[in-house]
Amino acid sequence: AQSVTQLGSHVSVSEGALVLLRCNYSSSVPPYLFWYVQYPNQGLQLLLKYTSAATLVKGINGFEAEFKKSETSFHLTKPSAHMSDAAEYFCAVTKTSYDKVIFGPGTSLSVIP
Amino acid sequence: DVKVTQSSRYLVKRTGEKVFLECVQDMDHENMFWYRQDPGLGLRLIYFSYDVKMKEKGDIPEGYSVSREKKERFSLILESASTNQTSMYLCASSPGSGAGEQYFGPGTRLTVT
Repeated sequence: AQSVTQLGSHVSVSEGALVLLRCNYSSSVPPYLFWYVQYPNQGLQLLLKYTSAATLVKGINGFEAEFKKSETSFHLTKPSAHMSDAAEYFCAVTKTSYDKVIFGPGTSLSVIP
Repeated sequence: DVKVTQSSRYLVKRTGEKVFLECVQDMDHENMFWYRQDPGLGLRLIYFSYDVKMKEKGDIPEGYSVSREKKERFSLILESASTNQTSMYLCASSPGSGAGEQYFGPGTRLTVT
């Protein structure tokens, strides 16, 4: 069965600092991988997706993620944090569009001025 | 842009009431989903549908039912609301030909008193 782990339920960074949110997955086949962001009292918004093309995926709002098969990881980064990046971030995995999407538990990002 | 709308942002119902949560998507997506989101428990899949009049149980279907009479609309029904169904309910849709990326509505925060 597929699973997703996100290291760190809460991450704090200073404004302007590097953002690194960790995601590891377990999957018996090459997966599709996603990062979503959720602002308070809103639904989830797709940040980026990996679909077996380039291993470095660029998303919205300056975020990117790198797929590393050997490490079964899909960490999310942003070079310089902005106050508006404070939100909950979810990593997710699925095998195909007809399989369930498995969501990680989420990481809450705080940005300190 | 894909738009997923939910009938209410906030809803307060009494124990024992029948509750309808409506979700509509405007991108002709084949797949639709209902999740509930609770602190510390992440997103849990209640029901999903891959086509009109089709439905599949998710991980926590007890106490819920769904209806999909039209492709764009997916309704979640709480047959007899209970206080343990107080939660944030999220609807999502995804294209059948995609990689499984889901597009979420803004959520309905349901309180059962």
